[in-house]
Amino acid sequence: GAVVSQHPSRVICKSGTSVKIECRSLDFQATTMFWYRQFPKKSLMLMATSNEGSKATYEQGVEKDKFLINHASLTLSTLTVTSAHPEDSSFYICSAPAGGDTYEQYFGPGTRLTVT
Amino acid sequence: GQNIDQPTEMTATEGAIVQINCTYQTSGFNGLFWYQQHAGEAPTFLSYNVLDGLEEKGRFSSFLSRSKGYSYLLLKELQMKDSASYLCAVLDSNYQLIWGAGTKLIIKP
Repeated sequence: GAVVSQHPSRVICKSGTSVKIECRSLDFQATTMFWYRQFPKKSLMLMATSNEGSKATYEQGVEKDKFLINHASLTLSTLTVTSAHPEDSSFYICSAPAGGDTYEQYFGPGTRLTVT
Repeated sequence: GQNIDQPTEMTATEGAIVQINCTYQTSGFNGLFWYQQHAGEAPTFLSYNVLDGLEEKGRFSSFLSRSKGYSYLLLKELQMKDSASYLCAVLDSNYQLIWGAGTKLIIKP
């Protein structure tokens, strides 16, 4: 099946700094990508939908100025957590639709962010 | 509001069968997914049901009843590697995935 990669897999940063997470579709093009965060033992929470060539669509309650999303190409979307705080520590996962006649999503391996 | 319910945790024995239930209340329905997620990893696709009935795929089967807002994932011949969380997700009328909190399945020898 298709592969979605994320980089980095783990990152530790200090409060107040910014962190960029990359999501790439490796063998297919994705005009849309999704960004999720997941707290321990909790459900996946959709943060935003990244759209190639246009602005991302953010879910209610997600600060667009704090979580900057850029869909630079048909294979790359980036999430930048700006001015990170310890409460931003979480597991961030991106996904891309499989396309065609299926609504399956291919997920990246996730990024574990720890803010100290 | 939209709601997906599934048990928090289940325990089963290696070689046995386990059924993980999922009930949902969503604004519209365009299909239900089951994903497997090992700790610290991304979810991987298991099944997609949009019509009522049972879909079998190897050791895993998924059942859907739209009238009851109910699905289950059936795992047969359990193996230790099946220890993971199993996520139920519904595609609503806006084609947005609504996720359950997941069921942590513990397999004992």
